[in-house]
Amino acid sequence: QEKVQQSPESLIVPEGAMSSLNCTFSNSASQSIWWYQQHPGKGPEALISIFSNGNKKEGRLTVYLNRASLHVSLHIRDSQPSDSAVYLCAVRTNTGKLTFGDGTVLTVKP
Amino acid sequence: DPKIIQKPKYLVAVTGSEKILICEQYLGHNAMYWYRQSAKKPLEFMFSYSYQKLMDNQTASSRFQPQSSKKNHLDLQITALKPDDSATYFCASSQPGTGGAEQFFGPGTRLTVL
Repeated sequence: QEKVQQSPESLIVPEGAMSSLNCTFSNSASQSIWWYQQHPGKGPEALISIFSNGNKKEGRLTVYLNRASLHVSLHIRDSQPSDSAVYLCAVRTNTGKLTFGDGTVLTVKP
Repeated sequence: DPKIIQKPKYLVAVTGSEKILICEQYLGHNAMYWYRQSAKKPLEFMFSYSYQKLMDNQTASSRFQPQSSKKNHLDLQITALKPDDSATYFCASSQPGTGGAEQFFGPGTRLTVL
């Protein structure tokens, strides 16, 4: 059974700072790793995904994956108050199943 | 226009009753999923369907039965409801196959069982 753990549980950063979120998973053969953003009362929305070791950049987001250490991180450059939300790390298998972590609550203070 | 519709948005039921949660997607996807999110657990996978066929079932209880009447519909029937079933149920869809296909989530149905 895949396990996904996220840290920290909550993170407060000032506007304009870098936000760094971490995730570890249990199965190095997992197909892809996804980061989702969830606002209160809404469904999760996909932000970025990664499959291969290394990093991937999209706009203000950068994700790093190290399969050997079973670790993935998400970095949000120039964080904005509108980025305040719960960030969910998810591991996808070949059946399409996503296994989620508990999430990191990000608060960006103006 | 919403691409994934879930009905109803809120649902209150009594213990022992039966309810059906509706999900329709207008993204042209051939894979659909159900997830559950409660206060006690992270977002949890329940079922996946591809081309209207069950692909994966991680729900131990037979009280939860998905129903796919059309290729863009995947409803969830829950029988003999218990207070522990209280949660927000999310429907999602994607193109089937590779791990690179994004899953899009609906707005959820919040179920409260009294």
